[in-house]
Formats: sequence, C-alpha cells, structure tokens
Amino acid sequence: DGGITQSPKYLFRKEGQNVTLSCEQNLNHDAMYWYRQDPGQGLRLIYYSQIVNDFQKGDIAEGYSVSREKKESFPLTVTSAQKNPTAFYLCAVGDPWSNQPQHFGDGTRLSIL
Amino acid sequence: DQQVKQNSPSLSVQEGRISILNCDYTNSMFDYFLWYKKYPAEGPTFLISISSIKDKNEDGRFTVFLNKSAKHLSLHIVPSQPGDSAVYFCAASAQGGSEKLVFGKGTKLTVNP
Repeated sequence: DGGITQSPKYLFRKEGQNVTLSCEQNLNHDAMYWYRQDPGQGLRLIYYSQIVNDFQKGDIAEGYSVSREKKESFPLTVTSAQKNPTAFYLCAVGDPWSNQPQHFGDGTRLSIL
Repeated sequence: DQQVKQNSPSLSVQEGRISILNCDYTNSMFDYFLWYKKYPAEGPTFLISISSIKDKNEDGRFTVFLNKSAKHLSLHIVPSQPGDSAVYFCAASAQGGSEKLVFGKGTKLTVNP
C-alpha cells in the first residue's frame, strides 16, 4: 500500500543474531501491527500498538520485541530467542475504533544463513 | 484452534465464470469480516468487507455474503478474470473494527484464460 514502507525487502540473519525490521507509515493511522506468514499458513499477529508508547502482545510474541516511540514508526526486532525466524513479515496500519480495514506494507522476507 | 477456516486450499475456474471462495468461523463474537487478495512476495490488498449487521455487500465484480447462523461467509467474483489469480484470505475481528484480525489460511485462485 502507498504510504507504508517496510525495509529491507529481503534480510538475512546468522544464527544467534538479533535483527530489526523497519515499518514506517505516513497515513496518520493510530494503530500499527506486525504479522508473520509461513508457507501455506494465514497471517498470525505478533505485536500491535494502538497508540505511541504502548503496545500489546499478539498470538505469537515469543522471541520478538517492538517499540512505538513515534506514531509513524513501529520497528520489530527478531531476537535470537525466536527459534524459527524464517518467514515473511508484514506490517499493517489501521484505526481500531472504526469499521475500517487494515492496510499492509509489501513485507520483509527474513532468512537464516 | 483455528477460528477462521478456509477449507479449500485451491480453486480453479475459467475466465468469465463465477469464482466462489468460502470461509467458516467459530467465534460468535466476530462482527466484522474482510477479504484480502495477495500476490507472492507482496502484502495483502484489501478487497471488500462486511459488518455482521448486513448479509451482503457488493463492490463491482466482488460480492461478499454473510450467513451468521451458519457462521459462514463467501466471496463471489463475477466475471472472473486472469488477473484475479492470487491467494485470497478471509479475516475476522471481534470488536467492530480492524482490531486484532484473525486470518484463515487462504485459498489460491487460478483463473484460466
């Protein structure tokens, strides 16, 4: 979606390293979300944030961390504690207090070397 | 336990015919339902949504039907076009908005010329 930038598109990580995925938006949405997609699977929620300086765990938060210091930015860190980090990571934005859909960035594919 | 189920991993139709994608859910608290279209290595694109107060919503070639008593929704695409070939995800939320979407595993639609 225009206005949601995920970088980089492809990312490689060595075993035992932390890596941070970037998500920036200029759509002025209050809420931001991180999802993970594995082959043949739907999207699973990792973390979400409805307001600056606040965030909540999703269904699969173990091994991940986030921060929300600015409305425009919601970086996701994949830590060495995440046992199976290879996946396609998607960032989304939305307004949780209205009947409006979430809109997604183009994703980052993370692979383990 | 899967709360949103798309039982058909794939569907193949001829160009110009109708495509019907199905989705079942188990959580009676879900009150907002969405369909997303996804191409490989890209983020999902929002297609159409429906609130639980309605049983049908139409947008051009796309119509979503909701049967609350059966906890079932379907997406109809008429007429199908080769450009519709993609993976379609059904999603649901429980608070009337885009809060914490729960996704199905997706159905891969192939429209043959």
